Parts: sequence; structure tokens; C-alpha cells
Amino acid sequence: GAVVSQHPSRVICKSGTSVKIECRSLDFQATTMFWYRQFPKQSLMLMATSNEGSKATYEQGVEKDKFLINHASLTLSTLTVTSAHPEDSSFYICSAKRTGANYGYTFGSGTRLTVV
Amino acid sequence: GESVGLHLPTLSVQEGDNSIINCAYSNSASDYFIWYKQESGKGPQFIIDIRSNMDKRQGQRVTVLLNKTVKHLSLQIAATQPGDSAVYFCAEAISGGYNKLIFGAGTRLAVHP
Repeated sequence: GAVVSQHPSRVICKSGTSVKIECRSLDFQATTMFWYRQFPKQSLMLMATSNEGSKATYEQGVEKDKFLINHASLTLSTLTVTSAHPEDSSFYICSAKRTGANYGYTFGSGTRLTVV
Repeated sequence: GESVGLHLPTLSVQEGDNSIINCAYSNSASDYFIWYKQESGKGPQFIIDIRSNMDKRQGQRVTVLLNKTVKHLSLQIAATQPGDSAVYFCAEAISGGYNKLIFGAGTRLAVHP
């Protein structure tokens, strides 16, 4: 149990376009999901906490208008990178926390975004 | 976003040796800690966790030690195998709010035959 599906696994987009990444909890409900970004040879940096039915909480330095998060149901959160630029190229990873649990983080397999 | 450091040191070990990977965490309010393994191009894979009311926990071939006094975690891997080669991250759950998980800098483990 506790599977998180992240889609797409890889995406290449043109500079100036927007890209949507989906994170789904397949066999559990997740009121809270987290979005991370990882540059090569670096750690996972928390971007934002996504909460079902409310606005996301962004970490300091993360532009909320550029990285739009929608958590419209208990099993789906989406991250949209708007007006993407080459410097947004990175590995984006989501994590879902089971509703009612203090801990228990399940990670998706990540999305490799390349902006050309 | 938050992160503990941006460097990725490498630990090289011989197959069959024991490995010890260290991590310093930052927040005194953290009450839950996890070690993850990450292979290239994949998401983090859970290895072992420990709560702040413990100082040691053992799993299969792995042991986590927690020293709250100096905010230090270590992961010990016994009889290291080539399949253990990966990047290892510690992560701390900041208690309160949504218990967000913050990752440490990571260590690359290279196992040589």
C-alpha cells in the first residue's frame, strides 16, 4: 500500500510555456502533499506544502505566481510551472502524507523538467 | 526553500565493509527523522526512521543513531553491497503545522568490489 503516482516522468517544453505536473495518491487519502525541487548533485528543496481545499503554503524565496499549486481533491495535487525558463529545468518530486497521520510520507518517482 | 547545505560528499567503501553516513540537523523542534536512499533519476526510497524519544533503532542491515544533544544522526549499513551505491539523505520532520519534511545535504555512497 501507500503508492504515489507522479506524472509525467519526463517533459521537455519551450521557454515561455507552462507545464503541469500531477501527483496522485493511489490507495490512500492525502490532505497534505509536499512539492520539492532538486537540482543535479544537490538535496531536495521544499518548495511548498499543498493542502486540500485551501491555499498552498510556500517556502521563503519560492514564487507562488510562478509555481501554481492546486490540491482540489484528497488524492490529487498539481504543480504548474508557468512561463518556464531554462533555469526552471530541474527534478520535481512530490510527497503525500496520509490524512490523519502525523508522519508517513510517500514519495512520487519525480518529474524531470527540461526547458529549452 | 529550506535545506541543510548544498554539498554532496562521497563515501567510498569496499564491498563487505560497514558504512557510516553522518548528518547534522538544524531544528530543535524536529521530533521525527528519516533516512532515504535515492538512485539516479528516482524519488527517495524510505530506509529507516526514528522518533526523538529514541537514540537507536535497528532494521535489516541498517541502524540509525540519534544524538539530540548535538543534533546528529548517523546511518550504519552493515556488510555494504554494490546495490547500496546511491545517494543517502537524512530528513527531519518539523513538528507543528503540517510536519513538513526538510532534507539534509546528502552523501553519495560508492561501493567498490
